[in-house]
Amino acid sequence: QVQLVQSGAEVKKPGASVTVSCKSSGYTFNEYYIHWLRQAPGQGPEWMGWINPSGGTKYAQKFQGRVTMTRDTSISTAYMEVSRLRSDDTALYYCARDSVSAPGAVFDFWGQGTLVTVSS
Amino acid sequence: DIVMTQSPLSLPVTPGEPASISCRSSQSLLYSNGYNYLDWYLLKPGQSPQLLIYLGSNRASGVPDRFSGSGSGTDFTLKIGRVEAEDVGVYYCLQTLQTPYIFGQGTKLEIK
Repeated sequence: QVQLVQSGAEVKKPGASVTVSCKSSGYTFNEYYIHWLRQAPGQGPEWMGWINPSGGTKYAQKFQGRVTMTRDTSISTAYMEVSRLRSDDTALYYCARDSVSAPGAVFDFWGQGTLVTVSS
Repeated sequence: DIVMTQSPLSLPVTPGEPASISCRSSQSLLYSNGYNYLDWYLLKPGQSPQLLIYLGSNRASGVPDRFSGSGSGTDFTLKIGRVEAEDVGVYYCLQTLQTPYIFGQGTKLEIK
């Protein structure tokens, strides 16, 4: 069965960086885009960007320059680094697989979420 | 950016009764290929988001047939035929026509 398993919760100080990992299993990792989204406390979900099978990326303009998405196909794992963390980056971060059976972005499987807390 | 507007924001429903959620976009989500780039997700407390409907009206695998999506262009609706207790949570529409992909504000469905 398809699974996306994310790394554990993180607590960081303002200005630091955090990297969240997302390990996939149960499908051919090389054939799918991975998207990253987040949900801040009391807010709706927010799309951050994607990484395609070739390693190409597309980031929401809001995160340009602060977010880096990478993938290691040898271990079926995607990564997202957020740098220069601020308190308003405190959120539950998700990775999600993009279904290839439909046009557009369709997030058919999600990781369990990684809580990142930014606090001094 | 495309603006997504949902209504209502709160939806108390008696079990067994139908429910309907509206989602409007600031520009048409109908692409030249005939697809509407509008999806619906459900966020339940303590769980990862769940895909319900994609491309406006296609039910995702494993989603009960009491859920249906309709609409085109800028106006979309998610309907629940007969609400069950397990349907509580926050429902979001999402446009994926252009980046940044934007969610609606969410509609919180609760059981009366």
